[in-house]
Amino acid sequence: ETGVTQSPTHLIKTRGQQVTLRCSSQSGHNTVSWYQQALGQGPQFIFQYYREEENGRGNFPPRFSGLQFPNYSSELNVNALELDDSALYLCASSLEVRGRIDEQFFGPGTRLTVL
Amino acid sequence: DQQVKQNSPSLSVQEGRISILNCDYTNSMFDYFLWYKKYPAEGPTFLISISSIKDKNEDGRFTVFLNKSAKHLSLHIVPSQPGDSAVYFCASEGGGGADGLTFGKGTHLIIQP
Repeated sequence: ETGVTQSPTHLIKTRGQQVTLRCSSQSGHNTVSWYQQALGQGPQFIFQYYREEENGRGNFPPRFSGLQFPNYSSELNVNALELDDSALYLCASSLEVRGRIDEQFFGPGTRLTVL
Repeated sequence: DQQVKQNSPSLSVQEGRISILNCDYTNSMFDYFLWYKKYPAEGPTFLISISSIKDKNEDGRFTVFLNKSAKHLSLHIVPSQPGDSAVYFCASEGGGGADGLTFGKGTHLIIQP
């Protein structure tokens, strides 16, 4: 059983550019959530995908968007990058059971730096 | 507006003693609470959870206590070991799961030999 993997590990972009981060879920998990962790802060919920549809979203603007694929891998896309988007982006997969998310298994994250 | 607060950025405890990490929450809709542990360059790892219908949950050296009237929970680690040195995050869920987890800022636990 493989764990959650994310790519790339590190990324440097300039303001205004677009970025795509990737996540491969743990085998058998049908739900993926994305979090942003700024320096010195806890992870903040961006959105969640369940069976390829967004089914929950935190307080993030529409330029943060995502996709979940039939094999349950997923992408986080951020358009028009701003300096404040510099953060660690964490992906977490889980198996939704009876409407409650079971333990979320986190990947190691992608460190995004916006210059 | 922080709904989950961990007011101690760091905590230093001697090896073998008890570590107590605290967490307060403001949202009365939260009904499920989790603790995660994070090492540098790794993602958070689930440690232990508690439902609001309970006031205590134990798993080996780890015990979580929930005081709903005070909106407070704590994680006890006993005895503390060097491998416990990490950042600990308290997180809450409001039910249904689609709102994601709300995390505190974390407490850096340092176990001293």
